[in-house]
Amino acid sequence: AQSVTQLDSHVSVSEGTPVLLRCNYSSSYSPSLFWYVQHPNKGLQLLLKYTSAATLVKGINGFEAEFKKSETSFHLTKPSAHMSDAAEYFCVVSVTGNQFYFGTGTSLTVIP
Amino acid sequence: GAVVSQHPSWVICKSGTSVKIECRSLDFQATTMFWYRQFPKQSLMLMATSNEGSKATYEQGVEKDKFLINHASLTLSTLTVTSAHPEDSSFYICSTNRGPIYNEQFFGPGTRLTVL
Repeated sequence: AQSVTQLDSHVSVSEGTPVLLRCNYSSSYSPSLFWYVQHPNKGLQLLLKYTSAATLVKGINGFEAEFKKSETSFHLTKPSAHMSDAAEYFCVVSVTGNQFYFGTGTSLTVIP
Repeated sequence: GAVVSQHPSWVICKSGTSVKIECRSLDFQATTMFWYRQFPKQSLMLMATSNEGSKATYEQGVEKDKFLINHASLTLSTLTVTSAHPEDSSFYICSTNRGPIYNEQFFGPGTRLTVL
């Protein structure tokens, strides 16, 4: 079975400081992992994805995530937060394209 | 990637009416489409999986007579909320993949339904 746990429902950072959004997964098979961002009243935008290639994945807008099998984690990071990063972030695990398992989401607030 | 559109982006209707939401795959033929529901400040919940030319597979707890899904062509799936009530107000998002081996889904921009 597959599942995702986003460890923080809400994260607050000051503008210009690092961002860390935590995600742990559970999967019976080699998973693919995704991070999506959702701005208010908008659809989902793919930030980055891991599909069994390099374990450090670079995405859009300066975000990156590292797949750590030993820790079953896929945490999302960004060196310096920008006001426009304020949004809801979802971690997703999948084994096939037909089964997408969403985390409960992390709301990121960026303080000016 | 794949481009997925939804129409309308926002609909307001009276209680008791039915509302149809369209999901289109614009640049490839989608044999499988997924419908999700998202309540405010919550995650996405898979409602059903629709396969072109066959009946949709609904997730447990989703009323198939309430949420009618039609996937009559390879580029269009529709979700009809029948006899809508205020509790049906939600954000509905569709997605598709390029086939299960590609292990990725492409999401539409979502449709906000408000039932008065």
